[in-house]
Amino acid sequence: AQKVTQAQTEISVVEKEDVTLDCVYETRDTTYYLFWYKQPPSGELVFLIRRNSFDEQNEISGRYSWNFQKSTSSFNFTITASQVVDSAVYFCALSASTGFQKLVFGTGTRLLVSP
Amino acid sequence: GAVVSQHPSWVICKSGTSVKIECRSLDFQATTMFWYRQFPKQSLMLMATSNEGSKATYEQGVEKDKFLINHASLTLSTLTVTSAHPEDSSFYICSARQGFVPNTEAFFGQGTRLTVV
Repeated sequence: AQKVTQAQTEISVVEKEDVTLDCVYETRDTTYYLFWYKQPPSGELVFLIRRNSFDEQNEISGRYSWNFQKSTSSFNFTITASQVVDSAVYFCALSASTGFQKLVFGTGTRLLVSP
Repeated sequence: GAVVSQHPSWVICKSGTSVKIECRSLDFQATTMFWYRQFPKQSLMLMATSNEGSKATYEQGVEKDKFLINHASLTLSTLTVTSAHPEDSSFYICSARQGFVPNTEAFFGQGTRLTVV
């Protein structure tokens, strides 16, 4: 069975602070895919990143960076110099490489960035 | 990027009536579409997976007769909530993948907020 755990239910920071959102996953598949999505108050899901299980390179995109560590089954997401517009719920998700490749979501972390 | 359009964005219906939600892939052929349900401040729970031209695969605990899914073409899947009740009020989101290519992200619709009164 696949499982994604986002232990942080809600995080509050002040603008310009750095914040890291944790994601721990469980899977028996050797090949799998990890995702991060952002859900603003409007409700739509915004794709942020996809990572293959065989690619452990960290990635940086502007103020966003991701740290993938297979040894600890973690795929953490860091926002540098947070902004009010970053306020949203962030979901980590896992997909198997076979079958329908459905996404299993974590419970989400609500990020509140105050001015 | 690929676009998935979901309609309507919100709907209010009376208890006992049925509601149909459409999910369209606008610029790609979606062999597989997924339907999720999200309660307030909760995660997305997969309801079912639909493949074009075949019956949907429902997750455990999801009533097939309650939530009818039709995937008649490669660009359209519909979810019909039959005999809706207040407990069916929720945010429903569809997503679509292009073919069976691995390592492709799922594109999501805008979601439909259903309120049953």
